[in-house]
Amino acid sequence: EMQLVESGGGLVQPGGSLRLSCAASGFTFSSYEMNWVRQAPGKGLEWVSDIRGSGSGTFYADSVKGRFTISRDNAKNSLYLQMNSLRAEDTAVYYCARAAIVALGTGPFDIWGQGTVVTVSS
Amino acid sequence: EIVLTQSPATLSLSPGESATLSCRASQSVDSYLAWYQQKPGQAPRLLIYDASNRATGIPARFSGSGSGTDFTLTISSPEPEDFALYYCQQRREWPITFGQGTRLEIK
Repeated sequence: EMQLVESGGGLVQPGGSLRLSCAASGFTFSSYEMNWVRQAPGKGLEWVSDIRGSGSGTFYADSVKGRFTISRDNAKNSLYLQMNSLRAEDTAVYYCARAAIVALGTGPFDIWGQGTVVTVSS
Repeated sequence: EIVLTQSPATLSLSPGESATLSCRASQSVDSYLAWYQQKPGQAPRLLIYDASNRATGIPARFSGSGSGTDFTLTISSPEPEDFALYYCQQRREWPITFGQGTRLEIK
């Protein structure tokens, strides 16, 4: 069964840091682009970041650029999100999501984890 | 960035009525549009990709249409489990963006 499991969420003070992890299983992890998507309480979905299968290319939403870093370890079938300089508005459920392989561009997100909650508050 | 506007915000249906959800893009996304369903406390689930292709395991009562800037998700005679939140998403260009969502509720 193809599965993504996030971990690492928690309560952090403004200005603090947190590292999220996403463990993948049931598919060839290195073949797929991976993404982080977040959802603030009672709000819609916001794409955060993307990383190519090889790890060679990364993309970020303007709201997190310069503060968050996406990375992956294909040997460990794991995806990460290092979050620094956290703000109250970063409070959300963070999902990792697999992008389907398509002919052009980044594919739709066909597998999602269950999410991990990040709360930024003093 | 490409802004996706979904309408209506909430759609109330009586049993047996078909649902038509709209997603309009601020500029052309060609056919690079997907639809997701989200139930309370759950992760989103991919329903439709590239405007009109059903994802694996999605029932035939879900269909998508459109291209360019105007897209529609149709749910024919929704089942009780279909009453949920629906989001559209474009992958035409960075940043990837989502619509604000349409809530489908039972009247």
